[in-house]
Amino acid sequence: DAKTTQPPSMDCAEGRAANLPCNHSTISGNEYVYWYRQIHSQGPQYIIHGLKNNETNEMASLIITEDRKSSTLILPHATLRDTAVYYCIVRGSSGSARQLTFGSGTQLTVLP
Amino acid sequence: NAGVTQTPKFRVLKTGQSMTLLCAQDMNHEYMYWYRQDPGMGLRLIHYSVGEGTTAKGEVPDGYNVSRLKKQNFLLGLESAAPSQTSVYFCASSHGAGASYNEQFFGPGTRLTVL
Repeated sequence: DAKTTQPPSMDCAEGRAANLPCNHSTISGNEYVYWYRQIHSQGPQYIIHGLKNNETNEMASLIITEDRKSSTLILPHATLRDTAVYYCIVRGSSGSARQLTFGSGTQLTVLP
Repeated sequence: NAGVTQTPKFRVLKTGQSMTLLCAQDMNHEYMYWYRQDPGMGLRLIHYSVGEGTTAKGEVPDGYNVSRLKKQNFLLGLESAAPSQTSVYFCASSHGAGASYNEQFFGPGTRLTVL
């Protein structure tokens, strides 16, 4: 699986958009980009995933660059409840278990 | 649906004691996983299962055993607990081979302290 690089921490003002970057320069053609988040002491929560096209759901948008070497998770209107550690994970669709490899993630703090 | 549930939520053990953590899911998922998370770190995979009756080792399997006798349950056992196994344990499940992606659903975690 491709390795990902994320900033260790970011701040965002409440109500503003939070843009969380992720570098995955060694990603291969069949690998998806997943985003999860973990609110303090809780189990990780799936946010969104994508292969090559930009994706949007009720929680966030995922922008993947054309060369797929980096992506950005966008929370359009951050709230205090979005304070969490955000994990960017790259994983292929094949394989016996498709386990996810969690790195250190980005601690996003939404400020009032 | 309850999703993924874990029992117990908290436990304190003495070194050398044994215990079993139970994970249950009601989503008919084929795959189940056990992770551990130490303070300030990401999750690390202990063991996983791709279906009833199957198990496999993950990144940090030593000191743990697992069983998947029923599709909906995945048990994690510690035969002789050590202080290094003090951690938060998360169970997760996901769809089977037909899915093109791997959205994992996580339980609330079990906080284990080994004295």
